[in-house]
Amino acid sequence: ETAVFQTPNYHVTQVGNEVSFNCKQTLGHDTMYWYKQDSKKLLKIMFSYNNKQLIVNETVPRRFSPQSSDKAHLNLRIKSVEPEDSAVYLCASSPGGARDTQYFGPGTRLLVL
Amino acid sequence: GQQVQQSPASLVLQEGENAELQCNFSTSLNSMQWFYQRPGGSLVSLFYNPSGTKHSGRLTSTTVIKERRSSLHISSSQTTDSGTYLCALERTGSFNKLTFGAGTRLAVCP
Repeated sequence: ETAVFQTPNYHVTQVGNEVSFNCKQTLGHDTMYWYKQDSKKLLKIMFSYNNKQLIVNETVPRRFSPQSSDKAHLNLRIKSVEPEDSAVYLCASSPGGARDTQYFGPGTRLLVL
Repeated sequence: GQQVQQSPASLVLQEGENAELQCNFSTSLNSMQWFYQRPGGSLVSLFYNPSGTKHSGRLTSTTVIKERRSSLHISSSQTTDSGTYLCALERTGSFNKLTFGAGTRLAVCP
């Protein structure tokens, strides 16, 4: 049963363009995350929000910016994409922090040409 | 160096065989989790296991903190077990961040 929704599923764009990814969870969780999974399948956290507040901000390029309108939504904007941004972006949520079970969305696959 | 190391990197089994996946870490931790990722799919949480042994159907997870390792045992493997198994830990002092291993890719053949 899918309770973490991501759009789009797949996006192809060119270097320099702006893209936005959306994530919504219907689990009533307080915390949401963005992860990046590279071609080697290594998963790295990018951002974490708790009740609309940014609590984790890993060292990512400034062109990445998360946006949260409420605790059920966490979007990700990339201002000017680069080829190395090609990856799968996974959104997740958990009731509290990282010690709770995290529930993942299906991911958004980005290809930058 | 890499803080979370998983082994083997890949594994091929005949249906019915057992598997033991390892996760070794070089840092103290607050929590340890195991996830399963279907080919091309999202992650599913298997275990939250900061210490001790937990069972779920054919799966068993054992975490031994003082030895800095966690294992995932799959018994009587099925073709539907094929996919990638990832361990992730929350390091001590690293609030709300999971550090993932590179995963073990499992293929179970009929």
